[in-house]
Amino acid sequence: QLQLQEAGPGLVKPSETLSLICTVSGGSISSSNYYWGWIRQPPGKGLEWIGNIYFSGSTYYNPSLKGRVTISVDTSKRYFSLTLSSVTAADTALYYCAHDSGSVLRGLDVWGQGTAVTVSS
Amino acid sequence: IQLTQSPSSLSASVGDRVTITCRASQDINTYLAWYQHQPGQAPKLLIYYASALESGVPSRFSGSGSGTDFTLTISSLQPEDFATYYCQQLNDYPLSFGGGTKVEIK
Repeated sequence: QLQLQEAGPGLVKPSETLSLICTVSGGSISSSNYYWGWIRQPPGKGLEWIGNIYFSGSTYYNPSLKGRVTISVDTSKRYFSLTLSSVTAADTALYYCAHDSGSVLRGLDVWGQGTAVTVSS
Repeated sequence: IQLTQSPSSLSASVGDRVTITCRASQDINTYLAWYQHQPGQAPKLLIYYASALESGVPSRFSGSGSGTDFTLTISSLQPEDFATYYCQQLNDYPLSFGGGTKVEIK
């Protein structure tokens, strides 16, 4: 059974770069027709889509993040990652990684438990 | 694509029939998913392609709609169903979520 687990620093200083990884177990990260994604939830707010990466390496990002985001996959190490540059307090959130098993996007059917990130000096 | 959920919150009793709506700002065909999100847990996929029930999800959950108007229905609310529900459109990038509907105990 596919399982995902996020990891990263709980605290990041303003203007620095946030880096998170999502470790994949119980399945292949390089299987075809899969999408891997990142979603966040700021305190007291709803879910926000950050971006997706397709098994081919194609990426899609939320334009509201203004080019600060990069998602990549390391198939040899069985994880995919999120980097978010020039962070501000507005980037404080619970960050989730997730997986969509559809060859056509159908919905995120496996999620990690989430990792909390606080941006503060 | 903007997704507007209504209501933003509701109070209901165990056994009630609950309906949540999600309206898209443009035609998204049936590329809509519904999630349940309970505090301290990861969101859970309930419905995909607007009306397909995800494996393992109780049959009291159902989805309908196409184009711009969609509905999530819980036929008989159970204690474990008190949570926040989100719709998500998957028709076009950037993907987007609705603002959420919090279902509380009356």
